[in-house]
Amino acid sequence: DTAVSQTPKYLVTQMGNDKSIKCEQNLGHDTMYWYKQDSKKFLKIMFSYNNKELIINETVPNRFSPKSPDKAHLNLHINSLELGDSAVYFCASSPIGENEKLFFGSGTQLSVL
Amino acid sequence: GENVEQHPSTLSVQEGDSAVIKCTYSDSASNYFPWYKQELGKRPQLIIDIRSNVGEKKDQRIAVTLNKTTKHFSLHITETQPEDSAVYFCAARGGATNKLIFGTGTLLAVQP
Repeated sequence: DTAVSQTPKYLVTQMGNDKSIKCEQNLGHDTMYWYKQDSKKFLKIMFSYNNKELIINETVPNRFSPKSPDKAHLNLHINSLELGDSAVYFCASSPIGENEKLFFGSGTQLSVL
Repeated sequence: GENVEQHPSTLSVQEGDSAVIKCTYSDSASNYFPWYKQELGKRPQLIIDIRSNVGEKKDQRIAVTLNKTTKHFSLHITETQPEDSAVYFCAARGGATNKLIFGTGTLLAVQP
């Protein structure tokens, strides 16, 4: 079983559209994240949720809205997609406490045309 | 906030040689420093980590060192193999925000 799974793996869409990426973890972790990796491979944190509560919200445009229906799920909805949103989006989870290892999903390659 | 710098951005070595990747961090309150390996088209995966109460840690062919005074930490890979080819990221966590901030990555190419 995949520990952190995200769908879809590839997402190709037109500018102006609205799209969602789903993420689920079966590790029992309390904390989940969204990271964006651009074409230069920079990994930048976007959001972090702890047990359904938003704890980190970086300077991300408000077109990006995370939603956590329960602590095993963290979805990312993006409104009015722009060319600059093209990137790989990684979901990740980690347990609370000293063991802070991040477990990443396989990534979603978003291409905005 | 925390800022993590990583060098070099690309590194090419011959199989069997050693590779060293260096990082610096800005927040003196940072206390956790993991290293992630990302193979082409794959997810980043933790390969080793070190906490601020330890100066060095080794796991087979990889080792990390940490100097809290200078705020430098490094990844050392000995006897490199072609399968070590990947992008390596350092990261630092700690301080007020407790966020994990990644370095800019190093593309390591091991030539057979």
